[in-house]
Amino acid sequence: GNSVTQMEGPVTLSEEAFLTINCTYTATGYPSLFWYVQYPGEGLQLLLKATKADDKGSNKGFEATYRKETTSFHLEKGSVQVSDSAVYFCALSANTGNQFYFGTGTSLTVIP
Amino acid sequence: DTAVSQTPKYLVTQMGNDKSIKCEQNLGHDTMYWYKQDSKKFLKIMFSYNNKELIINETVPNRFSPKSPDKAHLNLHINSLELGDSAVYFCASSQAATSGSTEAFFGQGTRLTVV
Repeated sequence: GNSVTQMEGPVTLSEEAFLTINCTYTATGYPSLFWYVQYPGEGLQLLLKATKADDKGSNKGFEATYRKETTSFHLEKGSVQVSDSAVYFCALSANTGNQFYFGTGTSLTVIP
Repeated sequence: DTAVSQTPKYLVTQMGNDKSIKCEQNLGHDTMYWYKQDSKKFLKIMFSYNNKELIINETVPNRFSPKSPDKAHLNLHINSLELGDSAVYFCASSQAATSGSTEAFFGQGTRLTVV
């Protein structure tokens, strides 16, 4: 079956620190992988995506690489800002695109 | 020009009442979803519709009934509300592709509080 496992939070970092949020997946076939971000009081927004192995998704200084050999899609940012404080969700979509599987979410707080 | 809009944003109601949450998308997507997010931010799929037809119906109480009058709308009706129904409900849509997948677009959420 399909599933996503991501590191549990909460994560607290100082401004300008390096961020890694781990995400691994189990899937049949060739899924697409996504990172979503949820700011307080808002819905989920797509942060970045990758649709095939070795693709790197990037946006707003965040990046993640689709690693088929390790079934991973870890989120990284070199220097976090206070405005990055949010909940981050790793997700996969099965081939048909009709089903999305979300991880449990990782809460990030960045302190000045 | 909100892509996925749901109303109301906040809903406070008493136990035993019946309420509806409406969702509309203007993206031309074929597939729409309802998710429930609990207080720990865990997202649980409830229903998925493709071209007005139900394709996913996870284990949710019968009190929850989705209605899709057309492919741009997916409403959620809840009967006999219970305290445990308090959560944030998200509507989403996506375009199924014949190869590869496109992302899901989410509404702003409806915070339901049952008192």
